[in-house]
Amino acid sequence: EPEVTQTPSHQVTQMGQEVILRCVPISNHLYFYWYRQILGQKVEFLVSFYNNEISEKSEIFDDQFSVERPDGSNFTLKIRSTKLEDSAMYFCASSRQGGETQYFGPGTRLLVL
Amino acid sequence: KNQVEQSPQSLIILEGKNCTLQCNYTVSPFSNLRWYKQDTGRGPVSLTIMTFSENTKSNGRYTATLDADTKQSSLHITASQLSDSASYICVALFGNEKLTFGTGTRLTIIP
Repeated sequence: EPEVTQTPSHQVTQMGQEVILRCVPISNHLYFYWYRQILGQKVEFLVSFYNNEISEKSEIFDDQFSVERPDGSNFTLKIRSTKLEDSAMYFCASSRQGGETQYFGPGTRLLVL
Repeated sequence: KNQVEQSPQSLIILEGKNCTLQCNYTVSPFSNLRWYKQDTGRGPVSLTIMTFSENTKSNGRYTATLDADTKQSSLHITASQLSDSASYICVALFGNEKLTFGTGTRLTIIP
């Protein structure tokens, strides 16, 4: 069964550094998403991406964040100048169409020191 | 503000017993309501999706209900198994893409 994959599974970085989290959505899906989950808290929507552009974003998704689909398979989340409070689990998800079931990847655990 | 609230926060039941988890939402415009299962350290896995016109939907031992008038939903788990131990998250979709997650119910099944 096709699934969403994410790399790396864990990332440790120094405050102020840039990180890129990578995702490979399910191949025939058209909508892509990033979420984050701070330890012990609920999952929070960051951004949705369709047709090579951002379609929705939350107030969390400020200028520090950017997303890109650099080729036909990868979907990336870049965090510039990381802060301590960016430490969280970051989930990528994809769906065939908007409003349909979103399939989540296993997540990347980011720790900012 | 769009919110999804769940109760109880945590629940412990014996293997083989049934349980019901509750969800209240204030999301507008409301598109559909979902229940996800999340194992510790893993991504959420979809259990059910219901639009406002659906009252109930089943997926194996999981049965979700939705009352769009009172903005309440429930997830009933029948004949619980040890592998059901996880967080169960109620999620409302507003608009076409933006999911609002509840804080989840932490369910523990004991033998």
